[in-house]
Amino acid sequence: EAGVAQSPRYKIIEKRQSVAFWCNPISGHATLYWYQQILGQGPKLLIQFQNNGVVDDSQLPKDRFSAERLKGVDSTLKIQPAKLEDSAVYLCASSLVRGTSGGYEQYFGPGTRLTVT
Amino acid sequence: GENVEQHPSTLSVQEGDSAVIKCTYSDSASNYFPWYKQELGKRPQLIIDIRSNVGEKKDQRIAVTLNKTAKHFSLHITETQPEDSAVYFCAASRNFGNEKLTFGTGTRLTIIP
Repeated sequence: EAGVAQSPRYKIIEKRQSVAFWCNPISGHATLYWYQQILGQGPKLLIQFQNNGVVDDSQLPKDRFSAERLKGVDSTLKIQPAKLEDSAVYLCASSLVRGTSGGYEQYFGPGTRLTVT
Repeated sequence: GENVEQHPSTLSVQEGDSAVIKCTYSDSASNYFPWYKQELGKRPQLIIDIRSNVGEKKDQRIAVTLNKTAKHFSLHITETQPEDSAVYFCAASRNFGNEKLTFGTGTRLTIIP
């Protein structure tokens, strides 16, 4: 099966500019996640979607970050305006929804490496 | 919220020896614990996971143990090979993984030929 697709793979912008990332999950995966991975750290969840609804956005800096998944398939994550500390890899992941009788696997995309100068 | 601590941050072992990475978690409601391997510049990939209703799980050279009372879990890699060199992340989640994963800070494992 095709994996999680992300674009662009790399982006360099100046602080205060805006940027958008795109993610297309594995076909049929209802749950989509955006993570921020700062160099040398583990991924940190920014937002979780179930179909087109937000399940968890408690760690999303809402004054500058926004995300949408309008049709319950692909998703975009936007940063406006960007700060130097936003330099990181932005990972998208998707998973099937399963009942509590079993665990699930999150499949990660290749990520977008953002550098803010 | 959940907090996951991971040790050591770096680990070097001779090829053929065993490697052990340890994690502790804070939320007693967490019941799903996956381990991800991330090679340089690549995406994290699941290598093994365990749910709270079992104490140990093994897959060839990789095993994970879970101690719910102490709230810690460990990854064991035996007969290490050069291709095992990577960063390994532990994570924890509630609801058997249907809620967000909280990741540890990672362990950079280097296998010395």
